[in-house]
Amino acid sequence: AQSVAQPEDQVNVAEGNPLTVKCTYSVSGNPYLFWYVQYPNRGLQFLLKYITGDNLVKGSYGFEAEFNKSQTSFHLKKPSALVSDSALYFCAVRESLYSGGGADGLTFGKGTHLIIQP
Amino acid sequence: EPEVTQTPSHQVTQMGQEVILRCVPISNHLYFYWYRQILGQKVEFLVSFYNNEISEKSEIFDDQFSVERPDGSNFTLKIRSTKLEDSAMYFCASSGTSGASSYEQYFGPGTRLTVT
Repeated sequence: AQSVAQPEDQVNVAEGNPLTVKCTYSVSGNPYLFWYVQYPNRGLQFLLKYITGDNLVKGSYGFEAEFNKSQTSFHLKKPSALVSDSALYFCAVRESLYSGGGADGLTFGKGTHLIIQP
Repeated sequence: EPEVTQTPSHQVTQMGQEVILRCVPISNHLYFYWYRQILGQKVEFLVSFYNNEISEKSEIFDDQFSVERPDGSNFTLKIRSTKLEDSAMYFCASSGTSGASSYEQYFGPGTRLTVT
């Protein structure tokens, strides 16, 4: 069974400082990894994904994430935080299938509240 | 920018009643999903749907649940006899046509279901 761990319930960062939101995963095969952001009273918004290729992937709003296979991690990063980045962030995984396709459901972590202080 | 829409935004129902949650996926997407998020807990996968049939379902998706794509635009989740523990936010999602874009699931704003 696949699983995702987000070890921090909350991360506090001063505006302008770099931020990291941690995520580790467990799958039996190769992982497809995702980050989503949720603002209050809104649905989940897709930020970025890792499917294959470069371990550093870039996404929306200046976010990036680094896939580390040996550490089974996919931490979300941003060089300079904005107050508007304050939200709930979810890491998700699905196991790659030989047959490919998008029909598989995602397994989510419990989420990390990111608070950017002015 | 196209987006997934869901109605209603909030549904209150009595235990034992049937509810239908509605979703309009992004128009050229082929894969459709339902997830739920019980208050304070993680988002959980319920079911995926492709080519007019269920592709995958979780153990949560028991005989009380069903999904349907009744026309070319709507995707519905029916709960036949609601229980108190069905109270949650239900998210619909859809993903693209082929290749890598099929893995990017786009979520609607959710329907908050309250069972009393």
